[in-house]
Amino acid sequence: DQQVKQNSPSLSVQEGRISILNCDYTNSMFDYFLWYKKYPAEGPTFLISISSIKDKNEDGRFTVFLNKSAKHLSLHIVPSQPGDSAVYFCAATGTSYDKVIFGPGTSLSVIP
Amino acid sequence: GAGVSQTPSNKVTEKGKYVELRCDPISGHTALYWYRQSLGQGPEFLIYFQGTGAADDSGLPNDRFFAVRPEGSVSTLKIQRTERGDSAMYLCASSASGTSADTQYFGPGTRLTVL
Repeated sequence: DQQVKQNSPSLSVQEGRISILNCDYTNSMFDYFLWYKKYPAEGPTFLISISSIKDKNEDGRFTVFLNKSAKHLSLHIVPSQPGDSAVYFCAATGTSYDKVIFGPGTSLSVIP
Repeated sequence: GAGVSQTPSNKVTEKGKYVELRCDPISGHTALYWYRQSLGQGPEFLIYFQGTGAADDSGLPNDRFFAVRPEGSVSTLKIQRTERGDSAMYLCASSASGTSADTQYFGPGTRLTVL
């Protein structure tokens, strides 16, 4: 049973437009949420995170929104750039030293 | 090297053989994680070390899988009697302290293929 879901396996966006990647989770005990980006032949790299006490966190072109009541988060990238083309993993964890649970990923293609 | 390194990058073995996968974490990082990633899936947690001890090994699929970190730095993931279903990308990550909010830094992975 997947605790972290990313229902869109792929997404294609025009350069300069907004990319919105969605993630849903089922475990209400999750306390901290992360997004990782992965290029081919490389390991995932941390992108941005959000604590459950917040509903928004912004870092440059990247913003993560959290809706705890809906158990939903989204990553917004604006403006999208071709270099953003990668697989994006949503992940979640509980407090303290809990393990991180990853979603299956969404492959983003930004078209020049 | 500044990042997490993993060797070998690729490993091809035959069913029933024993394999060892190595992870060199970032120097000074106390926490080390092993994940397995199958095609089209996200990384799946296997085991987490805090220093030399396995703090959480709940993700190891069965007793054919074992991992060690004897000196609190390098770790080895060991798989006995490999099966075709063990074929996957094995990822290692390290973090400074191991708390949930601590960034995990991933290595490039070892692609294991069991024929």
